[in-house]
Amino acid sequence: KNQVEQSPQSLIILEGKNCTLQCNYTVSPFSNLRWYKQDTGRGPVSLTIMTFSENTKSNGRYTATLDADTKQSSLHITASQLSDSASYICVVTTGNQFYFGTGTSLTVIP
Amino acid sequence: NAGVTQTPKFRVLKTGQSMTLLCAQDMNHEYMYWYRQDPGMGLRLIHYSVGEGTTAKGEVPDGYNVSRLKKQNFLLGLESAAPSQTSVYFCASSPYPRTENKETQYFGPGTRLLVL
Repeated sequence: KNQVEQSPQSLIILEGKNCTLQCNYTVSPFSNLRWYKQDTGRGPVSLTIMTFSENTKSNGRYTATLDADTKQSSLHITASQLSDSASYICVVTTGNQFYFGTGTSLTVIP
Repeated sequence: NAGVTQTPKFRVLKTGQSMTLLCAQDMNHEYMYWYRQDPGMGLRLIHYSVGEGTTAKGEVPDGYNVSRLKKQNFLLGLESAAPSQTSVYFCASSPYPRTENKETQYFGPGTRLLVL
Protein backbone atom coordinates (compact mmCIF):
# COMPACT_ATOMS: atom_id res chain seq x y z
CA LYS A 1 0.00 0.00 0.00
CA ASN A 2 1.31 3.44 -0.92
CA GLN A 3 1.75 5.47 2.22
CA VAL A 4 3.60 8.53 3.50
CA GLU A 5 4.32 8.76 7.20
CA GLN A 6 5.73 11.80 8.94
CA SER A 7 7.32 12.16 12.33
CA PRO A 8 7.11 13.63 14.81
CA GLN A 9 3.44 14.57 14.71
CA SER A 10 4.25 17.79 16.55
CA LEU A 11 7.36 19.57 17.73
CA ILE A 12 8.10 22.59 19.90
CA ILE A 13 11.49 24.27 19.68
CA LEU A 14 13.12 27.46 20.91
CA GLU A 15 13.72 30.26 18.47
CA GLY A 16 17.18 30.03 16.96
CA LYS A 17 17.46 26.27 17.36
CA ASN A 18 17.66 23.75 14.51
CA CYS A 19 15.25 20.90 13.94
CA THR A 20 14.73 17.96 11.60
CA LEU A 21 11.45 16.55 10.39
CA GLN A 22 11.17 13.04 8.99
CA CYS A 23 9.21 11.51 6.13
CA ASN A 24 9.13 7.78 5.37
CA TYR A 25 7.27 6.44 2.39
CA THR A 26 6.31 3.20 0.69
CA VAL A 27 5.15 4.81 -2.55
CA SER A 28 6.13 3.03 -5.74
CA PRO A 29 7.04 3.77 -8.46
CA PHE A 30 8.74 6.92 -7.20
CA SER A 31 8.67 10.09 -9.27
CA ASN A 32 9.44 12.92 -6.88
CA LEU A 33 9.14 14.04 -3.27
CA ARG A 34 7.93 17.46 -2.19
CA TRP A 35 7.89 19.39 1.03
CA TYR A 36 5.21 22.01 1.66
CA LYS A 37 4.80 24.56 4.44
CA GLN A 38 1.27 25.30 5.57
CA ASP A 39 0.64 28.23 7.87
CA THR A 40 -2.44 28.02 10.07
CA GLY A 41 -5.52 28.96 8.07
CA ARG A 42 -3.63 29.12 4.78
CA GLY A 43 -2.97 26.88 1.83
CA PRO A 44 0.27 24.89 1.48
CA VAL A 45 3.28 26.56 -0.11
CA SER A 46 5.95 24.56 -1.92
CA LEU A 47 9.42 24.45 -0.32
CA THR A 48 11.29 21.85 -2.38
CA ILE A 49 10.80 19.21 -5.06
CA MET A 50 13.32 16.37 -5.26
CA THR A 51 13.68 13.72 -7.93
CA PHE A 52 15.29 10.31 -7.65
CA SER A 53 18.74 11.61 -8.55
CA GLU A 54 18.75 14.46 -6.04
CA ASN A 55 19.73 13.70 -2.46
CA THR A 56 19.94 17.24 -1.10
CA LYS A 57 18.12 20.43 -1.94
CA SER A 58 18.09 23.76 -0.11
CA ASN A 59 15.69 26.67 0.00
CA GLY A 60 17.10 29.31 2.30
CA ARG A 61 17.18 27.91 5.83
CA TYR A 62 15.34 24.78 4.70
CA THR A 63 17.35 21.78 3.52
CA ALA A 64 15.67 18.60 2.33
CA THR A 65 17.45 15.29 1.95
CA LEU A 66 16.32 12.19 0.14
CA ASP A 67 17.50 8.61 0.45
CA ALA A 68 15.65 6.76 -2.29
CA ASP A 69 17.15 3.43 -1.24
CA THR A 70 15.68 3.54 2.26
CA LYS A 71 12.67 5.61 1.13
CA GLN A 72 13.31 8.32 3.65
CA SER A 73 13.43 12.09 3.48
CA SER A 74 14.15 14.74 6.04
CA LEU A 75 13.59 18.48 6.22
CA HIS A 76 16.16 20.35 8.27
CA ILE A 77 15.38 23.86 9.46
CA THR A 78 18.35 25.95 10.52
CA ALA A 79 18.24 28.82 13.01
CA SER A 80 14.49 28.64 13.43
CA GLN A 81 12.35 31.76 13.47
CA LEU A 82 8.91 32.42 14.91
CA SER A 83 7.59 32.53 11.34
CA ASP A 84 8.62 28.89 10.86
CA SER A 85 5.69 27.89 13.07
CA ALA A 86 3.52 25.92 10.67
CA SER A 87 2.62 22.45 9.50
CA TYR A 88 5.13 20.80 7.17
CA ILE A 89 3.71 18.33 4.70
CA CYS A 90 5.63 15.66 2.79
CA VAL A 91 4.20 14.56 -0.55
CA VAL A 92 5.44 11.66 -2.65
CA THR A 93 4.29 11.22 -6.23
CA THR A 94 4.27 8.39 -8.73
CA GLY A 95 3.84 10.93 -11.50
CA ASN A 96 0.12 11.13 -11.76
CA GLN A 97 -0.74 10.09 -8.21
CA PHE A 98 0.11 12.28 -5.24
CA TYR A 99 0.36 10.83 -1.72
CA PHE A 100 0.17 13.37 1.09
CA GLY A 101 1.51 12.88 4.57
CA THR A 102 -0.49 14.16 7.53
CA GLY A 103 2.16 16.72 8.38
CA THR A 104 4.36 17.72 11.30
CA SER A 105 3.14 20.68 13.32
CA LEU A 106 6.09 22.85 14.32
CA THR A 107 5.84 25.54 16.97
CA VAL A 108 8.74 27.91 17.49
CA ILE A 109 8.66 29.73 20.82
CA PRO A 110 10.66 32.80 21.86
CA ASN B 1 -1.31 39.06 -9.17
CA ALA B 2 -3.80 37.72 -6.67
CA GLY B 3 -2.70 34.14 -7.35
CA VAL B 4 -5.38 31.63 -6.37
CA THR B 5 -8.46 32.95 -4.60
CA GLN B 6 -11.36 31.03 -3.11
CA THR B 7 -14.90 32.11 -2.32
CA PRO B 8 -16.38 31.92 0.27
CA LYS B 9 -13.88 31.70 3.11
CA PHE B 10 -16.34 30.07 5.47
CA ARG B 11 -19.81 28.60 5.15
CA VAL B 12 -22.31 26.73 7.31
CA LEU B 13 -24.80 24.47 5.59
CA LYS B 14 -27.63 22.28 6.75
CA THR B 15 -27.74 18.66 5.64
CA GLY B 16 -29.27 18.43 2.19
CA GLN B 17 -28.51 21.98 1.13
CA SER B 18 -26.45 22.67 -1.96
CA MET B 19 -23.68 25.15 -2.59
CA THR B 20 -20.89 26.03 -4.99
CA LEU B 21 -17.33 26.87 -4.07
CA LEU B 22 -15.50 29.14 -6.47
CA CYS B 23 -11.81 29.01 -7.26
CA ALA B 24 -10.18 31.64 -9.45
CA GLN B 25 -6.59 31.97 -10.62
CA ASP B 26 -4.97 34.79 -12.56
CA MET B 27 -1.77 32.98 -13.55
CA ASN B 28 -3.14 31.48 -16.78
CA HIS B 29 -2.56 27.97 -15.47
CA GLU B 30 -3.96 25.02 -17.39
CA TYR B 31 -4.25 22.62 -14.48
CA MET B 32 -6.53 23.08 -11.51
CA TYR B 33 -7.40 20.89 -8.54
CA TRP B 34 -9.83 20.61 -5.67
CA TYR B 35 -8.69 18.97 -2.42
CA ARG B 36 -10.20 18.43 0.96
CA GLN B 37 -8.21 18.44 4.18
CA ASP B 38 -9.47 16.68 7.29
CA PRO B 39 -7.85 16.37 10.72
CA GLY B 40 -5.40 13.50 10.91
CA MET B 41 -5.50 12.90 7.18
CA GLY B 42 -3.45 14.13 4.30
CA LEU B 43 -4.91 16.26 1.55
CA ARG B 44 -7.16 14.21 -0.72
CA LEU B 45 -7.88 15.02 -4.33
CA ILE B 46 -11.58 15.42 -5.16
CA HIS B 47 -11.58 16.43 -8.83
CA TYR B 48 -9.16 18.05 -11.20
CA SER B 49 -9.04 19.71 -14.60
CA VAL B 50 -6.35 19.63 -17.27
CA GLY B 51 -7.81 22.51 -19.22
CA GLU B 52 -10.85 24.59 -19.96
CA GLY B 53 -13.89 22.43 -20.51
CA THR B 54 -12.30 19.27 -19.08
CA THR B 55 -12.67 17.66 -15.66
CA ALA B 56 -11.73 14.34 -14.12
CA LYS B 57 -12.34 12.44 -10.91
CA GLY B 58 -9.77 12.28 -8.21
CA GLU B 59 -9.47 10.10 -5.14
CA VAL B 60 -12.74 11.07 -3.37
CA PRO B 61 -15.20 12.43 -5.96
CA ASP B 62 -18.49 11.10 -4.57
CA GLY B 63 -20.98 13.79 -3.60
CA TYR B 64 -19.17 16.51 -5.56
CA ASN B 65 -19.38 17.90 -9.06
CA VAL B 66 -17.11 20.35 -10.83
CA SER B 67 -17.07 22.58 -13.87
CA ARG B 68 -14.34 24.46 -15.74
CA LEU B 69 -16.21 26.68 -18.17
CA LYS B 70 -13.49 29.32 -18.13
CA LYS B 71 -9.77 28.68 -17.87
CA GLN B 72 -9.39 30.87 -14.82
CA ASN B 73 -12.27 29.42 -12.82
CA PHE B 74 -12.86 25.99 -11.29
CA LEU B 75 -16.14 25.44 -9.47
CA LEU B 76 -16.84 22.73 -6.90
CA GLY B 77 -20.47 21.87 -6.24
CA LEU B 78 -22.09 20.00 -3.41
CA GLU B 79 -25.49 18.82 -4.58
CA SER B 80 -26.83 17.62 -1.23
CA ALA B 81 -24.47 18.38 1.62
CA ALA B 82 -23.78 15.75 4.28
CA PRO B 83 -22.01 16.11 7.66
CA SER B 84 -19.19 13.94 6.24
CA GLN B 85 -18.41 16.79 3.88
CA THR B 86 -17.46 19.07 6.74
CA SER B 87 -13.89 19.90 5.85
CA VAL B 88 -11.49 22.53 4.63
CA TYR B 89 -11.44 22.71 0.85
CA PHE B 90 -8.38 23.86 -1.04
CA CYS B 91 -8.09 24.74 -4.66
CA ALA B 92 -4.74 24.63 -6.45
CA SER B 93 -3.46 25.46 -9.89
CA SER B 94 -0.32 24.63 -11.84
CA PRO B 95 1.20 25.52 -15.20
CA TYR B 96 2.43 21.97 -15.71
CA PRO B 97 0.82 18.53 -15.54
CA ARG B 98 1.28 16.45 -12.41
CA THR B 99 3.54 14.06 -14.29
CA GLU B 100 6.29 16.66 -14.71
CA ASN B 101 8.94 16.92 -12.01
CA LYS B 102 9.03 20.72 -12.23
CA GLU B 103 5.33 20.90 -11.54
CA THR B 104 4.43 23.08 -8.57
CA GLN B 105 0.93 23.58 -7.32
CA TYR B 106 -0.15 26.97 -6.04
CA PHE B 107 -2.80 26.68 -3.39
CA GLY B 108 -5.62 29.03 -2.45
CA PRO B 109 -6.34 30.05 1.16
CA GLY B 110 -9.06 27.45 1.63
CA THR B 111 -12.79 27.38 2.34
CA ARG B 112 -13.98 26.07 5.68
CA LEU B 113 -17.28 24.25 5.34
CA LEU B 114 -19.41 23.07 8.23
CA VAL B 115 -22.39 20.85 7.48
CA LEU B 116 -24.85 20.47 10.32
